[in-house]
Amino acid sequence: SQTIHQWPATLVQPVGSPLSLECTVEGTSNPNLYWYRQAAGRGLQLLFYSVGIGQISSEVPQNLSASRPQDRQFILSSKKLLLSDSGFYLCAWSMTSSYNEQFFGPGTRLTVL
Amino acid sequence: GIQVEQSPPDLILQEGANSTLRCNFSDSVNNLQWFHQNPWGQLINLFYIPSGTKQNGRLSATTVATERYSLLYISSSQTTDSGVYFCAVPSGAGSYQLTFGKGTKLSVIP
Repeated sequence: SQTIHQWPATLVQPVGSPLSLECTVEGTSNPNLYWYRQAAGRGLQLLFYSVGIGQISSEVPQNLSASRPQDRQFILSSKKLLLSDSGFYLCAWSMTSSYNEQFFGPGTRLTVL
Repeated sequence: GIQVEQSPPDLILQEGANSTLRCNFSDSVNNLQWFHQNPWGQLINLFYIPSGTKQNGRLSATTVATERYSLLYISSSQTTDSGVYFCAVPSGAGSYQLTFGKGTKLSVIP
């Protein structure tokens, strides 16, 4: 069966510091991968998605970037964090089919002080 | 883009009660997902239901695609059902992006 891991689970960082969040998927090959952010309130916002190694699409211009160095690894980065980057970051995967059912990881709670 | 509205925004139930959560969407879709976000933030897949009815234990869901809505039924609610329930649909034809509703926050009290 497929599993998705994220780390760290929680992170407290000062404004202006760099960021690296990692997501890995097991039990599947060539998945679509996604980064979402859930800020204040309840809504989830898609930040980036990837359909293959080195292929990144950005949905929202911002202070963040994403990379996919390996088939089942997705990394979310920032060179300098802003207060507004605080939130709950969720990684998700789906099969490369038309169904696009997405499955989510446990999330990383980021607080920028 | 497609709009997704969920109702009610908040719901408080006595343990053992039944409830119906609604998800309306503004355009035709070829898939729809229901999620439960538990108090730890984990998004748990409940149903993938582009149309028709599915059941899983005390939960069931019905999507009427032609009328652009989906319903999630929770029967004999338990305190562990508490959390936020989201529905999500593709943002457009062939889109990889899911558009989420704002969720229904359910609190089940003993």
